[in-house]
Amino acid sequence: AAGVIQSPRHLIKEKRETATLKCYPIPRHDTVYWYQQGPGQDPQFLISFYEKMQSDKGSIPDRFSAQQFSDYHSELNMSSLELGDSALYFCASSAGGRGNQPQHFGDGTRLSIL
Amino acid sequence: DQQVKQNSPSLSVQEGRISILNCDYTNSMFDYFLWYKKYPAEGPTFLISISSIKDKNEDGRFTVFLNKSAKHLSLHIVPSQPGDSAVYFCAARIQGAQKLVFGQGTRLTINP
Repeated sequence: AAGVIQSPRHLIKEKRETATLKCYPIPRHDTVYWYQQGPGQDPQFLISFYEKMQSDKGSIPDRFSAQQFSDYHSELNMSSLELGDSALYFCASSAGGRGNQPQHFGDGTRLSIL
Repeated sequence: DQQVKQNSPSLSVQEGRISILNCDYTNSMFDYFLWYKKYPAEGPTFLISISSIKDKNEDGRFTVFLNKSAKHLSLHIVPSQPGDSAVYFCAARIQGAQKLVFGQGTRLTINP
């Protein structure tokens, strides 16, 4: 079965640079979620989109922005990167906005800031 | 403020026996609970979920129990298999919201 696809899998950037992470949800899933997992930590929710509209917001820095496109894929844009942004970034998708549908995760993008 | 807590960082179980993973939560507004399994270099894989209106949900070898009065849920795996060795995360969702709040994870090791 098709899963959530994230690209790139690994990304190395320097401080103050920008980065764009992409997420392609499972077909027919209309909701995408972004999480950040630091070393040895649990995943922390950043932001979500339902039918291309922002639906929930967590601890996402102002330097980050995201959007969901007409084909339901999503991009997380990160600017003025800092050392503390080094983490694993997961995207998840689900069918339906607020029903009891599980979120299915991609394998993540590992972002390293030098 | 850790709203979802998995107090056991690790658990070791013999193959064929039952594995019981525990999770406690503090927010009474959580209405949906999930368990995920995570292998290294992979994303969390959904295992099983339960709504707050139920106290038990079963899927094959996996059963989740919810005790709302104690704000406690557990995942039972029986019989345990070597492929079950992974980190298990408990997650919860606040009613009306979309984000999941995760526990810290429990590393399960199944010994042959």
